[in-house]
Amino acid sequence: QITLKESGPTLVKPTQTLTLTCTFSGFSLSSSGVSVGWFRQPPGKALEWLALIYWDGDKRYSPSLKTRLTITRDTSKSQVVLTMTNMDPVDTGTYFCAHRRKISAPNWYDPWGPGTLVTVSS
Amino acid sequence: QTVVTQEPSFSVSPGGTVTLTCGLTSGSVSTSHSPSWYQQTPGQAPRTLIYSTNIRSSGVPDRFSGSILGNIAALTITGAQADDESDYYCVLYMGSGLSVFGGGTKLTVL
Repeated sequence: QITLKESGPTLVKPTQTLTLTCTFSGFSLSSSGVSVGWFRQPPGKALEWLALIYWDGDKRYSPSLKTRLTITRDTSKSQVVLTMTNMDPVDTGTYFCAHRRKISAPNWYDPWGPGTLVTVSS
Repeated sequence: QTVVTQEPSFSVSPGGTVTLTCGLTSGSVSTSHSPSWYQQTPGQAPRTLIYSTNIRSSGVPDRFSGSILGNIAALTITGAQADDESDYYCVLYMGSGLSVFGGGTKLTVL
């Protein structure tokens, strides 16, 4: 059974850097074809795709946030870390990570973690 | 910048059929966009309904179906039930590992 869970601060101040960790089980991020994505959802608004890291360490970022995002992995700890710099109140929302099943189904993210709510406020 | 479009809201009667759509502000949606559909209720993580245009995820009732209709992706719910009242999101693959979500459709069953 695959599970993922996001963790990190619930409150960050404007201009600070957010660091979120996705801890997963039931799969290895070293296995060919596997990848993990990050998403966010402001309160009452739509989901947004943020970043993706592949089994081989390759990375992809949302063009609109590329300069602020870094995604890394620690395969020994079964973790994927997302950092977002220069946080702003508009970055408030629930952040999710999810397992991407296979390359041939690039939008098949399943399962998802429960999400973690991050509030940006001074 | 290409935007993925969805109806902000839709209403369906119990037992009725509804088709939610997913389009692009520039260009047509095709199978190469590998459309997926997610269902989300408040406070919950998204649940995969459909991936790769028309493949139902495990455990998803067959009243949910996905397709390409002309230049858009579509999610059809046949025989809507009360617990189908949720937010529905489509996501399109833009190539090079990048995906973009639509703005979501709030479905009301009444």
